Amino acid sequence: EAQVTQNPRYLITVTGKKLTVTCSQNMNHEYMSWYRQDPGLGLRQIYYSMNVEVTDKGDVPEGYKVSRKEKRNFPLILESPSPNQTSLYFCASSQVLQGNEQFFGPGTRLTVL
Amino acid sequence: QKEVEQNSGPLSVPEGAIASLNCTYSDRVSQSFFWYRQYSGKSPELIMSIYSNGDKEDGRFTAQLNKASQYVSLLIRDSQPSDSATYLCAIGWEYGNKLVFGAGTILRVKS
Repeated sequence: EAQVTQNPRYLITVTGKKLTVTCSQNMNHEYMSWYRQDPGLGLRQIYYSMNVEVTDKGDVPEGYKVSRKEKRNFPLILESPSPNQTSLYFCASSQVLQGNEQFFGPGTRLTVL
Repeated sequence: QKEVEQNSGPLSVPEGAIASLNCTYSDRVSQSFFWYRQYSGKSPELIMSIYSNGDKEDGRFTAQLNKASQYVSLLIRDSQPSDSATYLCAIGWEYGNKLVFGAGTILRVKS
């Protein structure tokens, strides 16, 4: 089954404790992206990657890091989480961004205390 | 700053009626347009894509695009309670590497 997976699905942590949210897709997509979703603000892009070893900032990259060492994986790293990073996070992938739809993972609900 | 605007709603329609959802965008070089449906606590699911002016129909859904007026709409015919969700408009720009999403419109279909 074609899908995007994320882990963990739910995470409660404390300020400053480094964490990683994994994202993996089995569709051989070049493009992968991370979004956060907050009430009233919609989906905002954090980082994206056009292919292996190619990453770039989205609209809200502060406090996040990413890497793309393999085509299928695109982990999101919060090195020192803060309460304002409490949000619902989605990973998405697509074959070619322009003109091709993005497929979303199930989401990760993160709470930073 | 590229922007995508949607009325947050909620838009309430009776079962069997036509629901009309609208989206406007700020940049004339937009090329790809998408409608996603998102149930509460779930991930966005693509329901329609449209790339050229006019109408595109898929079952009960019709997407309408007017690039000159910079709006895209989604019509849902014979609305069902299961259509109750948040509908997200997303725009792809020619020279960018991302989609920009509107904040979404909440649709409530009353049985």
